[in-house]
Amino acid sequence: DAKTTQPNSMESNEEEPVHLPCNHSTISGTDYIHWYRQLPSQGPEYVIHGLTSNVNNRMASLAIAEDRKSSTLILHRATLRDAAVYYCILGPAAGNNRKLIWGLGTSLAVNP
Amino acid sequence: GAGVSQSPSNKVTEKGKDVELRCDPISGHTALYWYRQSLGQGLEFLIYFQGNSAPDKSGLPSDRFSAERTGGSVSTLTIQRTQQEDSAVYLCATRRSSGANVLTFGAGSRLTVL
Repeated sequence: DAKTTQPNSMESNEEEPVHLPCNHSTISGTDYIHWYRQLPSQGPEYVIHGLTSNVNNRMASLAIAEDRKSSTLILHRATLRDAAVYYCILGPAAGNNRKLIWGLGTSLAVNP
Repeated sequence: GAGVSQSPSNKVTEKGKDVELRCDPISGHTALYWYRQSLGQGLEFLIYFQGNSAPDKSGLPSDRFSAERTGGSVSTLTIQRTQQEDSAVYLCATRRSSGANVLTFGAGSRLTVL
């Protein structure tokens, strides 16, 4: 099962962009790249996912390297509410998510 | 309901007691997962239900752990003879059977075994 590598922690200032990196050098051709975040005392929350092309939604953007061995979650303007642990996970397009391997993620601190 | 509801939100029990944790999924979500998150750790898969198929129990750590899903809706995770190492947050997540593979999580049940 493919794993991901993320920095343990990052820090940002409010209203500045944040780039959260993720390495996944053993990604398979059918693995999607999923990002979730977990705010304090809450369950994880879906952020975004993609396969090959860059993706945008109301929460964030996902930039995927051409070789798919790395990706970056982009928060365009960080707010205090974005302080959370961000998980980068590889998973199937459908079916059993048992194989999703949840690492420790990146703990993002946002300074006012 | 609008989201995944879990109860109790907090449970403190004595070592050796049995506990039941409940998950009410989003209506229409046929896939249901239980995860465990120990302090400072990532999520650990426990069990997966999909419709009427046999559940995938491959993540249950011991035979003290079991789970049911009645009528394809509410699920109960039972831990018998609790041990201190069972202390963790137990998270339930659900997903639609089709469409994007996106999990919706509940807020979790925090279990403390004294």
